[in-house]
Amino acid sequence: AQSVTQPDIHITVSEGASLELRCNYSYGATPYLFWYVQSPGQGLQLLLKYFSGDTLVQGIKGFEAEFKRSQSSFNLRKPSVHWSDAAEYFCAVGAQAAGNKLTFGGGTRVLVKP
Amino acid sequence: DVKVTQSSRYLVKRTGEKVFLECVQDMDHENMFWYRQDPGLGLRLIYFSYDVKMKEKGDIPEGYSVSREKKERFSLILESASTNQTSMYLCASSLGTLPYEQYFGPGTRLTVT
Repeated sequence: AQSVTQPDIHITVSEGASLELRCNYSYGATPYLFWYVQSPGQGLQLLLKYFSGDTLVQGIKGFEAEFKRSQSSFNLRKPSVHWSDAAEYFCAVGAQAAGNKLTFGGGTRVLVKP
Repeated sequence: DVKVTQSSRYLVKRTGEKVFLECVQDMDHENMFWYRQDPGLGLRLIYFSYDVKMKEKGDIPEGYSVSREKKERFSLILESASTNQTSMYLCASSLGTLPYEQYFGPGTRLTVT
């Protein structure tokens, strides 16, 4: 079965600084990878996804993520953080063998300092 | 745009009550999912459905049941609510038989006292 680890529970970043959120997955074949964001009191919104092809994926709100097969990672980055990026971020993995289910990481809460 | 709606944003129930959480999606998606979200544990799958009247257990089905009588509607039922079921409940839907992206509702924060 696939699994996802987000090693950082909390990250604090200054507004305007860069942000990188780590995601490591465990799955033998090519995974389907996702990043979601959850603002306080809200549901999850898809930021970006990777199925195949170019390993650098662009998403909404200025985010990007890079799939690195050798490291089993799919880290999320943003060059310059805005106060509105304060939220919880979830990495998720799906596998063709598991059908239509996704497995979610524990989440990383991002705090933005002015 | 896909829209997933949930019947309540906040719900307070007493121990032992029967609780219904409803979810409706408007994009003709085959798959619907119920998760619970607890701090530090991420999202855990309770049940999912890949077609009308079809359901499969997720990772934590104990204490829950589901119903899907129409394609657009998926209900989560707590037969006898307990305090350890206090949580945020999220509904999602997706298309097809592959692990495509899931679209989420706003969530229901359930408190059982």
